[in-house]
Amino acid sequence: QKEVEQDPGPLSVPEGAIVSLNCTYSNSAFQYFMWYRQYSRKGPELLMYTYSSGNKEDGRFTAQVDKSSKYISLFIRDSQPSDSATYLCAMSPYSGAGSYQLTFGKGTKLSVIP
Amino acid sequence: DADVTQTPRNRITKTGKRIMLECSQTKGHDRMYWYRQDPGLGLRLIYYSFDVKDINKGEISDGYSVSRQAQAKFSLSLESAIPNQTALYFCATSASTGGEETQYFGPGTRLLVL
Repeated sequence: QKEVEQDPGPLSVPEGAIVSLNCTYSNSAFQYFMWYRQYSRKGPELLMYTYSSGNKEDGRFTAQVDKSSKYISLFIRDSQPSDSATYLCAMSPYSGAGSYQLTFGKGTKLSVIP
Repeated sequence: DADVTQTPRNRITKTGKRIMLECSQTKGHDRMYWYRQDPGLGLRLIYYSFDVKDINKGEISDGYSVSRQAQAKFSLSLESAIPNQTALYFCATSASTGGEETQYFGPGTRLLVL
């Protein structure tokens, strides 16, 4: 079993739709959870960062972490064509020595159709 | 100007050649990383460095070497390139302070080994 599982898609939605992107993981040591957005031919850029369980909202984006189910989600409200990109989840355990290392999902490719 | 820059952006080389990919950053971060990204495999860590005198192997270091010439510069070398090293290579940086393990990525180098 891979440490982090993410459906690669592709996912195609109409403009204005609510998008739900998800990752599951197996390592209960993960404490820090991130979502990166990667446009075509660009490097990943950090979109959302959460620590432990709970929700975090930033504009149209909401990140949720359910550590009991080992499941994280990213919701995009009122999706726009500019949201078309690949979304990567990433996570890290908390430890003084190990907190540097991120484990990434393979990414979900999202297309928002005007 | 970009905070993390990579050169070259694209490179075509032949099997057996030695090549170097370079990364520079102006973020003042102490930690630097090299990843490769392959379709269906996601981002995988090749090497990372906590400071100029600290170099560590990542998940897939075989066939690669690195040099941390200064806090702001981290180079990746392929000693004898082979076709399965064809991939998209990313440099990333992070700070060891502040509590957030956020990595900032460069724009990537697209490498083709013939």
